[in-house]
Amino acid sequence: DAGVTQSPTHLIKTRGQHVTLRCSPISGHKSVSWYQQVLGQGPQFIFQYYEKEERGRGNFPDRFSARQFPNYSSELNVNALLLGDSALYLCASSIRTSGVYQETQYFGPGTRLLVL
Amino acid sequence: DQQVKQNSPSLSVQEGRISILNCDYTNSMFDYFLWYKKYPAEGPTFLISISSIKDKNEDGRFTVFLNKSAKHLSLHIVPSQPGDSAVYFCAASTSGGSNYKLTFGKGTLLTVNP
Repeated sequence: DAGVTQSPTHLIKTRGQHVTLRCSPISGHKSVSWYQQVLGQGPQFIFQYYEKEERGRGNFPDRFSARQFPNYSSELNVNALLLGDSALYLCASSIRTSGVYQETQYFGPGTRLLVL
Repeated sequence: DQQVKQNSPSLSVQEGRISILNCDYTNSMFDYFLWYKKYPAEGPTFLISISSIKDKNEDGRFTVFLNKSAKHLSLHIVPSQPGDSAVYFCAASTSGGSNYKLTFGKGTLLTVNP
């Protein structure tokens, strides 16, 4: 089975531009989460979507937005790019069913964004 | 405020010996803990997890121990192999609520020498 896929793998943008990153979850997984990883740090939570609804948001400015589509794929959008947005952007998917439980998230290879 | 801490940035071990990676957390609401391995230019790969109702979970060469009173967990790799050389991240989450975000430590670079 295919794992989580992300596109593009690499991207170079200039300050002020916007960017759209894409993610396809593992088949059967309904929840998608986005993380930002800067050099020397662990991944930082940005968003989580389940059934096309935002279920959680990390401490990121409104320049960051996301959505989930009926096929459970997702897009992360970042507007007015800053130099500090340069990072590896990771998408993770999980099965996510109703109720309280403990889930494992599986990560894609990431999109490396460089803002010049 | 870093809620998940991996205080050792790096660890070097000889092939065949045991590797012990440590992780501490401060949020008592965390009840599910995971370890991920990350190679350069790849996303994190899930290794093993443990629920707070357990104190040990084993999967092949990998064992995770949880000490809730000390808010400490560790990952043991026995025997260590050169292919285990990677950055290891400890992550934690809480059940309930509307989302299950993972909170990560900064990672520990493990080098296994042949």
